[in-house]
Amino acid sequence: AQSVTQLDSQVPVFEEAPVELRCNYSSSVSVYLFWYVQYPNQGLQLLLKYLSGSTLVKGINGFEAEFNKSQTSFHLRKPSVHISDTAEYFCAVSEGYQAGTALIFGKGTTLSVSS
Amino acid sequence: SAVISQKPSRDICQRGTSLTIQCQVDSQVTMMFWYRQQPGQSLTLIATANQGSEATYESGFVIDKFPISRPNLTFSTLTVSNMSPEDSSIYLCSVRPGIHTEAFFGQGTRLTVV
Repeated sequence: AQSVTQLDSQVPVFEEAPVELRCNYSSSVSVYLFWYVQYPNQGLQLLLKYLSGSTLVKGINGFEAEFNKSQTSFHLRKPSVHISDTAEYFCAVSEGYQAGTALIFGKGTTLSVSS
Repeated sequence: SAVISQKPSRDICQRGTSLTIQCQVDSQVTMMFWYRQQPGQSLTLIATANQGSEATYESGFVIDKFPISRPNLTFSTLTVSNMSPEDSSIYLCSVRPGIHTEAFFGQGTRLTVV
């Protein structure tokens, strides 16, 4: 069965510093990987997704993630964060080659950006 | 893409009662998914609703507590039955229109049980 582990529950950083949010997955088959963001009292928004092709994926708001099959990881990075990036970030996985498969989510990482 | 409408957006209910949440999608989809997000927690899959068959429930969730209907390819309902304060959560409807797509979510139903 597939699962997702987000290694850090909380990540505090200062504004303009780089950040990495870590995500590891477990699956016996090929996967699709996703990062979603949830701002306070708002719905889920897709940041980026890996389906196939280049292992470096660029998303919205300056975020990017790298798919590493050998390490079963999909870490999210941003070179310089803003106060407005403060939010909950969720890594999610689906076993990609089945139609309509549900996403399984990690427990989330709270990114807190301060000045 | 897909646009999902969920109703109600929020509700406060008495313990022991039931609430039915509606989910409408702007396109036909084979499967619809229901998630629960408890306060400060991640999303947990409750069940998968496939049109024309019974929903498939994840471990820890049962049909008597969370009955689901899926009358057509654009609509589903989730009922939270015999509610207790522990059922206070955000309930989300989700779809994946194709194999190579992300999941799309409704805005959620914020349920408080008193």
